Amino acid sequence: AQTVTQSQPEMSVQEAETVTLSCTYDTSENNYYLFWYKQPPSRQMILVIRQEAYKQQNATENRFSVNFQKAAKSFSLKISDSQLGDTAMYFCAFMKPSIYGGATNKLIFGTGTLLAVQP
Amino acid sequence: NAGVMQNPRHLVRRRGQEARLRCSPMKGHSHVYWYRQLPEEGLKFMVYLQKENIIDESGMPKERFSAEFPKEGPSILRIQQVVRGDSAAYFCASSRPQGAEETQYFGPGTRLLVL
Repeated sequence: AQTVTQSQPEMSVQEAETVTLSCTYDTSENNYYLFWYKQPPSRQMILVIRQEAYKQQNATENRFSVNFQKAAKSFSLKISDSQLGDTAMYFCAFMKPSIYGGATNKLIFGTGTLLAVQP
Repeated sequence: NAGVMQNPRHLVRRRGQEARLRCSPMKGHSHVYWYRQLPEEGLKFMVYLQKENIIDESGMPKERFSAEFPKEGPSILRIQQVVRGDSAAYFCASSRPQGAEETQYFGPGTRLLVL
């Protein structure tokens, strides 16, 4: 069974600085997707970024980028120029899409990292 | 394009009552997923449905919980005879048909409190 581990329960960063959140996962699959979702105080789950395992290039979305190391099963999130609005719980998630057979698209989440951006 | 809609946003029930949570997927999405988030924990998968079909219910408790996604109308997650341990945030997510887009987009969640 797949597992997702986020080893940093809490992190803090100064506004405008850069912070990296860690995520590792365990799977025997070769084709899968990885995601970062953020959950601000409103508790809404918001997609931050997505990475397909078959793509070697790391995904980027404006100030958010990932460092995807497939062999090491590592998927860290880098937030550049941190803003107060980035304060949230960040969840890493794994999915084996059903198009690859035998799976049903369910997301497997880590336990989250609470990020506080300090002014 | 409206996002995933869930209602009610907050629901209070007494032990033994029934809770009914509704989810309307994004326009063009035919896949619905339900997740549960217990206090201070991450989200846990419960069930995956397509129109009129339950595809994977491996995360659903064996008793008291059921889900449906009828041909017309929203998906419903039903919890019968609620207990205090059912207090949690229940999130619905939707995605486009298989092979087109695998990203799941979440609704705002329903916070269930069982007294």
